[in-house]
Amino acid sequence: KQEVTQIPAALSVPEGENLVLNCSFTDSAIYNLQWFRQDPGKGLTSLLLIQSSQREQTSGRLNASLDKSSGRSTLYIAASQPGDSATYLCAVLAAGGTSYGKLTFGQGTILTVHP
Amino acid sequence: GAVVSQHPSRVICKSGTSVKIECRSLDFQATTMFWYRQFPKKSLMLMATSNEGSKATYEQGVEKDKFLINHASLTLSTLTVTSAHPEDSSFYICSAWPAASYNEQFFGPGTRLTVL
Repeated sequence: KQEVTQIPAALSVPEGENLVLNCSFTDSAIYNLQWFRQDPGKGLTSLLLIQSSQREQTSGRLNASLDKSSGRSTLYIAASQPGDSATYLCAVLAAGGTSYGKLTFGQGTILTVHP
Repeated sequence: GAVVSQHPSRVICKSGTSVKIECRSLDFQATTMFWYRQFPKKSLMLMATSNEGSKATYEQGVEKDKFLINHASLTLSTLTVTSAHPEDSSFYICSAWPAASYNEQFFGPGTRLTVL
């Protein structure tokens, strides 16, 4: 059974800092990995999706890397801003088999960026 | 593109009543839709996988008779919470897979259910 763990559970940083969020998964048989942002009481906003054959994806100040063999992904946020404050979720899509279509989420990292 | 809507966004009901939540793919056809549940300050947990024209597949521990799922068309799946109880209060989120695509799921904005 796939398990996804995110570290740290919470992070508070001053504005302008570069920061790294970590995600690890136990089963390397994944199709892709996705990072989401969730604001309080809201749905999910997809940030980056990395296919299993890729090593990283970038969008603006966000960069996500994937090391499938070691079961790890990191989300790098450059020059953090108060508007980045949210919960960040990592999720992996199973490659197939009995877990066909299953997206497994981590518990999330609650990020607070203070001015 | 790839927009998924949910209705209603919020619902408050009395204990013992049934509530229906709709999930629609607005600009694509979705052969498969997924229903998730999220408890406060917790992550999303997959409840069931809904395939158009066939019965839903429920995850272990999810009561089929409590959470009725119907995927009657390629753009609509519904989740009905039957005989709701306060412990059913939660945030319910759906996602949809474009037909013939095994890749990104597109998520709806969620429905906040409160059972009094």
